[in-house]
Amino acid sequence: DAGVTQSPTHLIKTRGQQVTLRCSPKSGHDTVSWYQQALGQGPQFIFQYYEEEERQRGNFPDRFSGHQFPNYSSELNVNALLLGDSALYLCASSLPGQEEDTQYFGPGTRLTVL
Amino acid sequence: GDSVTQMEGPVTLSEEAFLTINCTYTATGYPSLFWYVQYPGEGLQLLLKATKADDKGSNKGFEATYRKETTSFHLEKGSVQVSDSAVYFCALEDSWGKLQFGAGTQVVVTP
Repeated sequence: DAGVTQSPTHLIKTRGQQVTLRCSPKSGHDTVSWYQQALGQGPQFIFQYYEEEERQRGNFPDRFSGHQFPNYSSELNVNALLLGDSALYLCASSLPGQEEDTQYFGPGTRLTVL
Repeated sequence: GDSVTQMEGPVTLSEEAFLTINCTYTATGYPSLFWYVQYPGEGLQLLLKATKADDKGSNKGFEATYRKETTSFHLEKGSVQVSDSAVYFCALEDSWGKLQFGAGTQVVVTP
């Protein structure tokens, strides 16, 4: 049973560029959440997708956007990159309302903005 | 809003020592509580969880009890190993499935 997978593993961009990160949820999971983890800090919630719609959003600017596909995989897009966007981006998947209603995390994508 | 406060690290211990990491929370309603562990260069792994007051979560020798009266979810392990060296995050989940994390506590176990 494949767990949560994310791509790419690492990414280096320059200020002002745009980036797309990808996530495939754990088999059977239909809900995907994205988190940003700055160095030495706890993860911060960006947004959550369910049934291809953004269901909840954290305190992040509109430069952060996402998408969920019919197969439940998801993308995180960040426009006009800033140095402060450098972080580990974590994807988590879950199946709310079920006995195993727990978020499982992928290995993350390390984004460096120069 | 919801928040999680956990003790600052690093916590340095000798192998076979007793580990406690304090975690307290503020929340409206009755959140589920979690401990996640992060090894160097990796994502988060679920360590244990509790979904209601007085529940005890346990896994790999770690335990934590959901204490509503003290709004706490302290993590304990009776005898740590070098392989337990990692960063530990306490978190609560609101009714919408949003996780709110503490800042993390680094644990270093020396032989």
